[in-house]
Amino acid sequence: QSALTQPASVSGSPGQSITISCIGTSSDIGIYNYVTWYQQYPGKAPKLIIFDVTHRPSGVSNRFSGSKSGNTASLTISGLQAEDEADYYCTSYTNSDTWVFGGGTKLTVL
Amino acid sequence: QVQVVQFGAEVTNPGASVKISCKASGYTFTSHKMHWVRQAPGQGLEWMGIIDTSSGSTYYAQSLQGRVALTRDTSTTTVYMDLSSLRSEDTAVYYCARDSRNWALDYWGQGTLVSVSS
Repeated sequence: QSALTQPASVSGSPGQSITISCIGTSSDIGIYNYVTWYQQYPGKAPKLIIFDVTHRPSGVSNRFSGSKSGNTASLTISGLQAEDEADYYCTSYTNSDTWVFGGGTKLTVL
Repeated sequence: QVQVVQFGAEVTNPGASVKISCKASGYTFTSHKMHWVRQAPGQGLEWMGIIDTSSGSTYYAQSLQGRVALTRDTSTTTVYMDLSSLRSEDTAVYYCARDSRNWALDYWGQGTLVSVSS
């Protein structure tokens, strides 16, 4: 199972919106609505921010939103803030009863 | 409250095995599966496997088949990850994370650093 494809880095200025893509295949993202996104700060454990493609856990800012089209999922962060600077990972359930992560995207807030 | 706690760090030699424990509390242990994920220094997250804490059934990443084994002890609400035939590329922080039952990993342990070096 190959890793999902994410851009290595994205950047944006405070107040702007950015979108991180996550490209999978017809064995994972394309056939399941089980895409999740995680935020990770250096030296810390990842934190769940989006599950089931579009749903936010309690306590996660509504500035974070998710979507999916075909084999590609996306995470959008609106009203960018300095505290959003972190690494972001997508993951999906697969038809092999396994999970696969994306390679991760480093978000820089300019 | 839900807690997932891992213990200690490990330094070991190539060819050896390591066993990491992960203790869960604050919820019904057998109602949630447990994942294991690792992260090599400066690298991304890699899914390793999942254990059904009720039945004990497991699924593993193909890349680790034959070297990884997940087990659980329901009496102590602890999940274990065994990794054998260690090589330097296995140096990483190893995380356990609870499955939310929404196909997501909702509570993560703090991570256990495993260093493989001769």
